Amino acid sequence: EAGVAQSPRYKIIEKRQSVAFWCNPISGHATLYWYQQILGQGPKLLIQFQNNGVVDDSQLPKDRFSAERLKGVDSTLKIQPAKLEDSAVYLCASSSFLAARGDEQFFGPGTRLTVL
Amino acid sequence: AQSVTQLGSHVSVSEGALVLLRCNYSSSVPPYLFWYVQYPNQGLQLLLKYTSAATLVKGINGFEAEFKKSETSFHLTKPSAHMSDAAEYFCAVSPSGSARQLTFGSGTQLTVLP
Repeated sequence: EAGVAQSPRYKIIEKRQSVAFWCNPISGHATLYWYQQILGQGPKLLIQFQNNGVVDDSQLPKDRFSAERLKGVDSTLKIQPAKLEDSAVYLCASSSFLAARGDEQFFGPGTRLTVL
Repeated sequence: AQSVTQLGSHVSVSEGALVLLRCNYSSSVPPYLFWYVQYPNQGLQLLLKYTSAATLVKGINGFEAEFKKSETSFHLTKPSAHMSDAAEYFCAVSPSGSARQLTFGSGTQLTVLP
């Protein structure tokens, strides 16, 4: 079974530029998550999708971050404009809605963003 | 509200020694608890999870954790460390019955010395 795919793996941009990350979840997984992991910290949930609808985006800085999941499969996360403090690893994860409670989230390898 | 506290951002053990990584949680409802491992430049991988069944949970790679409600703890242990166990470990909590929204601790970097 193929895992969660993310691209690019690394991105370096100047502050105030825009950037987009792509995620392809495990086939059949209805739930998709985007996390931000700042160096030295645990992942922090940014947004959760159920199919193509948003379940929770309470921690998403909506003035600069946006995310979409068209057709309930792939997802993109965009930052516009980027700030220095956005430097982090952005992790995508997916899980099966039909699994029992407490089921596993499967994580992709992440995209490491450096904002100069 | 829920949170986890991982005591010790860095832990070093000798190969073959006991591994003990500490996690304390705070939750207003009965929690589900998880341990994840992250190897360099990789995503997180689930080691084990507690979902209100047995309080002693066995996971992959010889790891286990015990849920202690009285101590609000979920410490991760392994009897004998191996060099391949060197990684960062994250404890996470999710309210039972939730949409699996995880709150992670800040992580513990495990170093295994030869």
